Amino acid sequence: AQTVTQSQPEMSVQEAETVTLSCTYDTSESDYYLFWYKQPPSRQMILVIRQEAYKQQNATENRFSVNFQKAAKSFSLKISDSQLGDAAMYFCAYRSAYGRSGGSNYKLTFGKGTLLTVNP
Amino acid sequence: DGGITQSPKYLFRKEGQNVTLSCEQNLNHDAMYWYRQDPGQGLRLIYYSQIVNDFQKGDIAEGYSVSREKKESFPLTVTSAQKNPTAFYLCASSIKGSMDTQYFGPGTRLTVL
Repeated sequence: AQTVTQSQPEMSVQEAETVTLSCTYDTSESDYYLFWYKQPPSRQMILVIRQEAYKQQNATENRFSVNFQKAAKSFSLKISDSQLGDAAMYFCAYRSAYGRSGGSNYKLTFGKGTLLTVNP
Repeated sequence: DGGITQSPKYLFRKEGQNVTLSCEQNLNHDAMYWYRQDPGQGLRLIYYSQIVNDFQKGDIAEGYSVSREKKESFPLTVTSAQKNPTAFYLCASSIKGSMDTQYFGPGTRLTVL
């Protein structure tokens, strides 16, 4: 079974600075997808960025980028020019790309999250 | 506006009672999911459905039941058999297929009194 580990329960950053959130995962599969979701105080899960494992290029979405190291099974999220609105719980998630009986490839496996505080 | 709605936002239940959480989407997504979130934990999959009239158990299905009679609706019933039902429940949907990103509703907070 796949596992996702976020080793930083809490992080803080000064407004306008850069912060990196860590995520490692364990899998025996070669094809999969990785996601970062943000959960603000409203508790709605919002997709931040996603990465396909077969792509070597790191995904980027505006101020958010990832450092995907497939061999090391590492998937960190970098937030540049941090804003007060970035304060939230961030979850790393894994999803298999393989089909299985019953379609269990659709399941997202989540880490326990990193609480990001942005200081003005 | 397309999206996923969950109701109610807060729900209180007495021990021994069944309760049903609503999830509706107008995104024309084929697949729908229910997750549970406990304090200090990530989300865990309860049930999912890839198509109308079909659904499968996730990792923690015991004490829960679902139905999928319409494409846009995937209600979750928390039964009295669920030993620790107090949690935050999130519904998600995606276009059917292995590539697809799951999008989440705003969630329902269930508290057992």
